[in-house]
Amino acid sequence: NAGVTQTPKFRILKIGQSMTLQCTQDMNHNYMYWYRQDPGMGLKLIYYSVGAGITDKGEVPNGYNVSRSTTEDFPLRLELAAPSQTSVYFCASSYMGTDGYTFGSGTRLTVV
Amino acid sequence: AQKVTQAQTEISVVEKEDVTLDCVYETRDTTYYLFWYKQPPSGELVFLIRRNSFDEQNEISGRYSWNFQKSTSSFNFTITASQVVDSAVYFCALSEASRDDKIIFGKGTRLHILP
Repeated sequence: NAGVTQTPKFRILKIGQSMTLQCTQDMNHNYMYWYRQDPGMGLKLIYYSVGAGITDKGEVPNGYNVSRSTTEDFPLRLELAAPSQTSVYFCASSYMGTDGYTFGSGTRLTVV
Repeated sequence: AQKVTQAQTEISVVEKEDVTLDCVYETRDTTYYLFWYKQPPSGELVFLIRRNSFDEQNEISGRYSWNFQKSTSSFNFTITASQVVDSAVYFCALSEASRDDKIIFGKGTRLHILP
């Protein structure tokens, strides 16, 4: 099993550009999450989904959008990138919300 | 209000020493889960343990042990006979039933094991 796969691993964006971070899991997990990790700040929840067709905001949703059309995929969309969005982004999934999460390997995004 | 506090930002110990990472949490829920994750220098996040609020038994897994005390709202993590491979950032985390079980992370403790 591949687990949770994130693409791309690295990306440099210019201010104002848009992009989609891809996340897919092959474990038939219901729950999926997007976190960002800034140095010394731990992980902050951006958006999450408890199943296909259902999404909800986390702690830091501004500047991002998500969709969950299938159980497997949970893409994160950045519109009008800003330097404040420079971070490492992690996608995660779990079968139940109370399970330990399985994380992807992360996407390091730099906005210049 | 911060839900999970890891007061130790960075710790350095010499190999083979024991080290304890502190975690204090805050919640009004009676049903909640506590977690520890490891992030080695390679950057991935590795799940170590989950403990629910109704189970205060300590747990041991090899050189790792966890001490859960509801009376002090703490969930501390001890590494016995530390090894260089234990060098990593360790995150304590909390999920609450009243908040859709979303996991909230502490800021992490960076652990350096010196050879």
